[in-house]
Amino acid sequence: SQQGEEDPQALSIQEGENATMNCSYKTSINNLQWYRQNSGRGLVHLILIRSNEREKHSGRLRVTLDTSKKSSSLLITASRAADTASYFCATDKRTGANSKLTFGKGITLSVRP
Amino acid sequence: NAGVTQTPKFQVLKTGQSMTLQCAQDMNHEYMSWYRQDPGMGLRLIHYSVGAGITDQGEVPNGYNVSRSTTEDFPLRLLSAAPSQTSVYFCASRRGFAEAFFGQGTRLTVV
Repeated sequence: SQQGEEDPQALSIQEGENATMNCSYKTSINNLQWYRQNSGRGLVHLILIRSNEREKHSGRLRVTLDTSKKSSSLLITASRAADTASYFCATDKRTGANSKLTFGKGITLSVRP
Repeated sequence: NAGVTQTPKFQVLKTGQSMTLQCAQDMNHEYMSWYRQDPGMGLRLIHYSVGAGITDQGEVPNGYNVSRSTTEDFPLRLLSAAPSQTSVYFCASRRGFAEAFFGQGTRLTVV
């Protein structure tokens, strides 16, 4: 079964507002990653946070990780119409030399101009 | 630098036909994976490989075969296509436990 579950499923905001997306997962992980997918395209990596990190920033993106609650959040500040896309969290679970990257169902973000 | 290249981009198959979806990467990544994306289901892992000669099953492996004879290539074979395999297929590669790079996808319709 899929490891990550994003919340909400869909989010509609006005340009300039902040967008917060959440991800919960079930088992221990080595890192958690967020990806973006524009309509009809492949996924593009946004940010990776390791299990021993609590917060990470990249430009207008801020991601947090709470391993005790098995949850992560992605904050996009000062959103733009171009941020309209689907966003996915992915959990990286290692077993020996194996590593499986498992994705959630995604969040559809619409940013209104 | 091409990254991850998938071919074909679109394909229509009849039920029972077989075909191979191609995936190639030029980044010397050891990890490669195949996912399928269906509406409301997100991405589900079909098969993955941690290096040449080593493959393993993901969440939804039934009806698909893979092999990894070289670092660069990771083809996905549909043995006998079924309408339930209508989907968008993505190949991804990564170095170690870092971020994944995705191809542009193959949109497959089985009629």
